[in-house]
Amino acid sequence: DAGVIQSPRHEVTEMGQEVTLRCKPISGHNSLFWYRQTMMRGLELLIYFNNNVPIDDSGMPEDRFSAKMPNASFSTLKIQPSEPRDSAVYFCASSPVYNEQFFGPGTRLTVL
Amino acid sequence: DAKTTQPPSMDCAEGRAANLPCNHSTISGNEYVYWYRQIHSQGPQYIIHGLKNNETNEMASLIITEDRKSSTLILPHATLRDTAVYYCIVTGSQGNLIFGKGTKLSVKP
Repeated sequence: DAGVIQSPRHEVTEMGQEVTLRCKPISGHNSLFWYRQTMMRGLELLIYFNNNVPIDDSGMPEDRFSAKMPNASFSTLKIQPSEPRDSAVYFCASSPVYNEQFFGPGTRLTVL
Repeated sequence: DAKTTQPPSMDCAEGRAANLPCNHSTISGNEYVYWYRQIHSQGPQYIIHGLKNNETNEMASLIITEDRKSSTLILPHATLRDTAVYYCIVTGSQGNLIFGKGTKLSVKP
């Protein structure tokens, strides 16, 4: 298995632009998680899905952020409009058993 | 979720055992101890978890004290590739992983 796949690996955009991050979980895993990591705040859980259904989105910072999981093999995290303070590394993780999570390589987002 | 306390950094000589401590004095009866690590510029990696009993897998051993207020992650023969930040997390089986600052382990030749 290729592991959790995230794209793009790096994204540089300008303030106000829409950003879409993508994640392909490991096949057979029924839980998917989106995290954000910054130097100031560390690694934070944004949202998680179980069987494609969003369960807890309390970590999503504000309405500019949205996440979808249209099927078991694909999820997106969208930021619209993006702001410089959204600059971070965004990780997607999937899990067959809730807290044994497998993380992807991350997407490094820079908003200018 | 119960909070954990870890030393900010530790050094270990290559080939020796690395013993990483974690205090979790407020852990409740149904909470597990999870260990993850994050190698520079990579996503976190699950290592091991336990409830009461000591656990061992191909990566590490987890020793949990009888009162469950502390635990130690043991890497039996540390290599340079084990240099990473190690996170000790206490949560329920359906609880969220809350990553603290962890312990930065430096394995030196």
